Amino acid sequence: DTGVSQDPRHKITKRGQNVTFRCDPISEHNRLYWYRQTLGQGPEFLTYFQNEAQLEKSRLLSDRFSAERPKGSFSTLEIQRTEQGDSAMYLCASSLGTLRGGTTNEKLFFGSGTQLSVL
Amino acid sequence: QKEVEQDPGPLSVPEGAIVSLNCTYSNSAFQYFMWYRQYSRKGPELLMYTYSSGNKEDGRFTAQVDKSSKYISLFIRDSQPSDSATYLCAIYHNFNKFYFGSGTKLNVKP
Repeated sequence: DTGVSQDPRHKITKRGQNVTFRCDPISEHNRLYWYRQTLGQGPEFLTYFQNEAQLEKSRLLSDRFSAERPKGSFSTLEIQRTEQGDSAMYLCASSLGTLRGGTTNEKLFFGSGTQLSVL
Repeated sequence: QKEVEQDPGPLSVPEGAIVSLNCTYSNSAFQYFMWYRQYSRKGPELLMYTYSSGNKEDGRFTAQVDKSSKYISLFIRDSQPSDSATYLCAIYHNFNKFYFGSGTKLNVKP
């Protein structure tokens, strides 16, 4: 399977615990995005990487959230001291992005997501 | 104002009907438009990708962009129960921004 892979698919945790999610993008893709989606809403941008560099973080991303992409391959998203409001589907997506200044038809490919429930 | 607004639905149609899904957007500079299909408890799947104005057809699906009115549409002909899903419109802008609508839930009844 050469698609975007996310692990785990489901995570149930107690409030105050830390959780970490992993994303393996499509191998040749240089960009990796994290989104959060709640019921009845579209994906909400959290952060993105170009190779190993984290280029942008949403203002929605509190300091309890941290993401890494060591070596520009897989990525992890950690949430510290989880709150009930963190319950959502966390989606990873990857793309083959181009440098600013060029035309592009960048296409985003999503994984199946990690469903987080904070009790 | 949100970058893209989408009819909330839900939409329920009989099998074989023509379905029309719609979004409006705010910025006339937007040029890349997409439709994603999302089944329950799955990630969104890219369905259609269009650049600028006009129509694009792929099988039973047609994506239409009207830049003069900042309106994007997805038409599904001969709808099937397997088309039952949430459809998200999306816009790609400025080399790294993807804006998503809130999704329209479609139910095609056998």
